[in-house]
Amino acid sequence: DAMVIQNPRYQVTQFGKPVTLSCSQTLNHNVMYWYQQKSSQAPKLLFHYYDKDFNNEADTPDNFQSRRPNTSFCFLDIRSPGLGDAAMYLCATGQGYTQYFGPGTRLLVL
Amino acid sequence: KQEVTQIPAALSVPEGENLVLNCSFTDSAIYNLQWFRQDPGKGLTSLLLIQSSQREQTSGRLNASLDKSSGRSTLYIAASQPGDSATYLCAVRGEKSSGDKLTFGTGTRLAVRP
Repeated sequence: DAMVIQNPRYQVTQFGKPVTLSCSQTLNHNVMYWYQQKSSQAPKLLFHYYDKDFNNEADTPDNFQSRRPNTSFCFLDIRSPGLGDAAMYLCATGQGYTQYFGPGTRLLVL
Repeated sequence: KQEVTQIPAALSVPEGENLVLNCSFTDSAIYNLQWFRQDPGKGLTSLLLIQSSQREQTSGRLNASLDKSSGRSTLYIAASQPGDSATYLCAVRGEKSSGDKLTFGTGTRLAVRP
């Protein structure tokens, strides 16, 4: 009965090799978010979608892109991962005043 | 720019103790405040949400209070248990935010000793 699903849970990539993280939801929420959380730091919002309307945070690096082909799915693309991009990536959906988070994908960059 | 601070950064208590976690925010123009729990290597679980017009919310052994004018919130955990060990994060949503944007604190890492 998982509501926000993230795959894979762990992802290892090489420096500079493009990687895609995926998120899906069964809640049919209009809003979806991607957060980056580095060790012992607060989650940092990268961007969010309201339906198909894409909203990028001002300080999100160009290296990060996102796609939302339909209501259920949202993807995070890192075009050229650097060592500093190693982090937990959290996907969330929003309805009303509450956000619902997935289990996260931990990205390791070698 | 909204900043959220949580004190202490880490806390270790014996089982059964009552404890208080603190959260402060710099811009009092918030829409609501939310407390989350995060287990190691996992996502976030919402514990309590307080609207700006409310003073407190309760769920089981958890009680969250909000003093919007002073920019403070507390999370009170009664009769702590080892299963409460986790990182607790608070997050605020600004009045003028679009898309339900949350600003998070860095969390308090709680360890409850058996």
